[in-house]
Amino acid sequence: GNSVTQMEGPVTLSEEAFLTINCTYTATGYPSLFWYVQYPGEGLQLLLKATKADDKGSNKGFEATYRKETTSFHLEKGSVQVSDSAVYFCALSDGEGGSYIPTFGRGTSLIVHP
Amino acid sequence: GAVVSQHPSRVICKSGTSVKIECRSLDFQATTMFWYRQFPKQSLMLMATSNEGSKATYEQGVEKDKFLINHASLTLSTLTVTSAHPEDSSFYICSARDIGAGQPQHFGDGTRLSIL
Repeated sequence: GNSVTQMEGPVTLSEEAFLTINCTYTATGYPSLFWYVQYPGEGLQLLLKATKADDKGSNKGFEATYRKETTSFHLEKGSVQVSDSAVYFCALSDGEGGSYIPTFGRGTSLIVHP
Repeated sequence: GAVVSQHPSRVICKSGTSVKIECRSLDFQATTMFWYRQFPKQSLMLMATSNEGSKATYEQGVEKDKFLINHASLTLSTLTVTSAHPEDSSFYICSARDIGAGQPQHFGDGTRLSIL
C-alpha cells in the first residue's frame, strides 16, 4: 500500500532561518504529491502540490520538488517567519481504484521564535 | 477557488447525545468526500470515504454504526456521531476534491467535538 514518512518534530527555528522538512513516500502508481498546513485551531489548507516527476510546487516562499528517483518531496523555505508556526502534512494521492484516496504523513510541527 | 464548508465548528454536549456534522462543497461537485479524525499531536486519520448515492466505505477499525455517513447530494455529506461518549471527543475534518487527476483535497475548517 501507499505510505508517507515525514521527519518527526517539533522543528524549532529562529526567525529568518532556513527550513527543511523531509518527506518520502512509497506508492504503487504515479501519485500527485502535496503539502498541507494546519495553523493552530484551524483546519488544513493546501500549501503546494506537484503532479509529476521534477515538478516544483511553490507558494508563500515554500518550495518542494517531486523527486521520483529518491521518492521524496522535501519542503523548504529560505527564511521562516513566526507566522509560519504550524503543523505541516505531506500527502500523496493516486488514482488507484479511481478513488484518489489521500495518504498523509504524521505531520511535523514547526515552531519559529522571534 | 474551491471551498468546503463544515458546520458546526464547535460542539459541546452531554454523553449519549447524537451529533451531526455537515460538509458542503460550495463551488464544485464532489462525488467523493472524506472524513478524518485528528487526536491531539497525532496524524490525521481517515475514517471513511463518503460516496454520493451509495454507502460509505469505512476504514478498518471504524464502527459504521457509530459514525453514520450520508452523502445524499453532490455537494453535501453528513457525519453523525451516534450516542457520543467522551472517548469520541476529537477534531473531525472533512475534505472533498474536484474531478480530475491531480486535484488537491479541499478541507473544511473542522469540528471540535467535546463530549462531557
